[in-house]
Amino acid sequence: DTVLTQSPALAVSPGERVSISCRASEGVNSYVHWYQQKPGHQPKLLIYKASNLPSGVPARFSGSGSGTDFTLTIDPVEADDTATYFCQQSWNDPWTFGGGTKLELK
Amino acid sequence: QVQLQQSGAELVKPGSSVKISCKASGYTFTSYDMHWIKQQPGNGLEWIGWIYPGNGNTKYNQKFNGKTTLTADKSSSTAYMQLSSLTSADSAVYFCAIPYRDSYAHWGQGVMVTVSS
Repeated sequence: DTVLTQSPALAVSPGERVSISCRASEGVNSYVHWYQQKPGHQPKLLIYKASNLPSGVPARFSGSGSGTDFTLTIDPVEADDTATYFCQQSWNDPWTFGGGTKLELK
Repeated sequence: QVQLQQSGAELVKPGSSVKISCKASGYTFTSYDMHWIKQQPGNGLEWIGWIYPGNGNTKYNQKFNGKTTLTADKSSSTAYMQLSSLTSADSAVYFCAIPYRDSYAHWGQGVMVTVSS
């Protein structure tokens, strides 16, 4: 299975820029997607296919990367962005998720 | 708008089975795969499998073969997932979700399954 590796946690101050990384154990083309999950809630799609913003997601969120290295950027970070962020790949079978990065605000 | 309404939390005994549901509305139920995803406390997310309600075709993550059975009822636009021979390792939140451009744009609210004697 394709393993997606994320840093476990990050802490930033409101107004700053933060980048969350996701590294794949094998190539996944551009088929990486990003989700935000708050405690007790289902994940919410933020970015699909590496860099595409779904309707309704603020432009503060952006994504980049291809192959094996991907990044979710939030700029500027707001207090409401406190959450866990997951990447997911849908290029290789089975579809897999990263372990999540918990974003905390200072 | 698309809505996926899942059934309520379950407390079940080891060795038993449980069947949870996901009622879809706001789109053509028979035209999109319904995926199921497992999330254990403090852990990440695992893709379990999908069913295409239009013809009943299914695909499972090999890890969940024999543990999970996916079905769908077109008349009520409801997808089901049955988990069998339950152990503590099956205690988790289970989500249904619809793929959009290979990502999950719509999710159910999740069902917590607790396996305990």
